[in-house]
Parts: sequence; structure tokens; C-alpha cells
Amino acid sequence: AQTVTQSQPEMSVQEAETVTLSCTYDTSENNYYLFWYKQPPSRQMILVIRQEAYKQQNATENRFSVNFQKAAKSFSLKISDSQLGDTAMYFCAFMKHEKSGGGADGLTFGKGTHLIIQP
Amino acid sequence: KAGVTQTPRYLIKTRGQQVTLSCSPISGHRSVSWYQQTPGQGLQFLFEYFSETQRNKGNFPGRFSGRQFSNSRSEMNVSTLELGDSALYLCASSLGGAVDTQYFGPGTRLTVL
Repeated sequence: AQTVTQSQPEMSVQEAETVTLSCTYDTSENNYYLFWYKQPPSRQMILVIRQEAYKQQNATENRFSVNFQKAAKSFSLKISDSQLGDTAMYFCAFMKHEKSGGGADGLTFGKGTHLIIQP
Repeated sequence: KAGVTQTPRYLIKTRGQQVTLSCSPISGHRSVSWYQQTPGQGLQFLFEYFSETQRNKGNFPGRFSGRQFSNSRSEMNVSTLELGDSALYLCASSLGGAVDTQYFGPGTRLTVL
């Protein structure tokens, strides 16, 4: 079974600052995918970024980028030029790859980090 | 494209009752997954349906069941409700490949009294 750990329950930064959210995971799988999801107060879960484990290049999406360290099983999210709208719970999630195409065991989520962007 | 929709958005039930939640996936998506979110346990995978068949299942009791229709819409049923079933139930849809990104609906907030 996989586990995902987010060691920062809450973080607070000033608007326009850069912030990094930590995530570590434990798995015996070699082929898997990692995700960061954002859940604002509306509770709608929104995909922020996705990383394929077989890719060495770190994924980026506009102001969001990851630092993926496969050997260390670390997957941190960096938010640059933070904005008030970035205030939300951020969840790191893991999904193993099913070669048979038979679907996966669902996403395994961390407990989340509550990020607050102060004006 | 319209996103994932879930109905109802809020629901209040009493212990012992049963409840059915509905999820309509993004057009063209054939996989629907269900998750339970509680303050104590966080987000937990319930099950996944693809082409009207349950393809994967999490570690939940048999009181939790689901089904999927030919148009990919899915329903989740919880029988003999317990206080601990109070949660936000999230539905996510994907194309259905081995690892396709899951897109979530707004959730159904279930309160059991």
C-alpha cells in the first residue's frame, strides 16, 4: 500500500511571495503518477499539476512547479508570485500505474496543507 | 465542456436510513470514481466504475455500493447510515485509461443525525 505524507498542516505567506509545500510518499511501485490538487473554500477539488514518475523533467504549469526527487520519494510544490486566490487546502496525491489498463486503485491522498495568502 | 456534476449538493439523513448520491461525468469520460472526505480520515477512495462495471474498490464496508449506467452516470448508495458516514462525498471522472487525470465534482455534503 502507498502512503502520502504532508508534514505542514498550515502555511501562511504574504501575497507575491514564493511558497513551497512539501510532500513525501512511500511506495514499492516503480511506475506511478503524482498530483497536486487544490481545494478552495468552495470544496471543489481542482487539479494543479501532474507528474509522471518516469519523467525526469519537473512539471510546470504557469506559476506552479514541482521538485520531483524519485530516489528520495519527494514531490514538493512551488507557487511563485502567490495570489490571494491561491488560498486553499492543497493535497498531494499518488496513483500507481496499471499496465493492464484495468484502472488504478484510486488516488491516495495526503492529509493536506492549508495555505493562506495574506494581503 | 460541462464539468462533473453531483446531486444533491446537501443532504441530511438520520441513522438507519439509506441514501443515494448521483454523479454525472464530463462528456466522453467513461470512468467514475468516488471518494469520502472527513476531517479525521481525510480523503479515501471508495470505488471506481468503468463501462458499468466496478473495476476497483477501496476498503469500505458493504453498506457502501454503487453502480454505473450506460451513459456513464453513476450512483452511490449507503445503506443503514451511521453517524460516522457524515462526510463530503466527491465524485471524479476520467477517460478511463490506466492512469488518466481525474476531474472532481463539487461534492455532496451528507449529514447523518
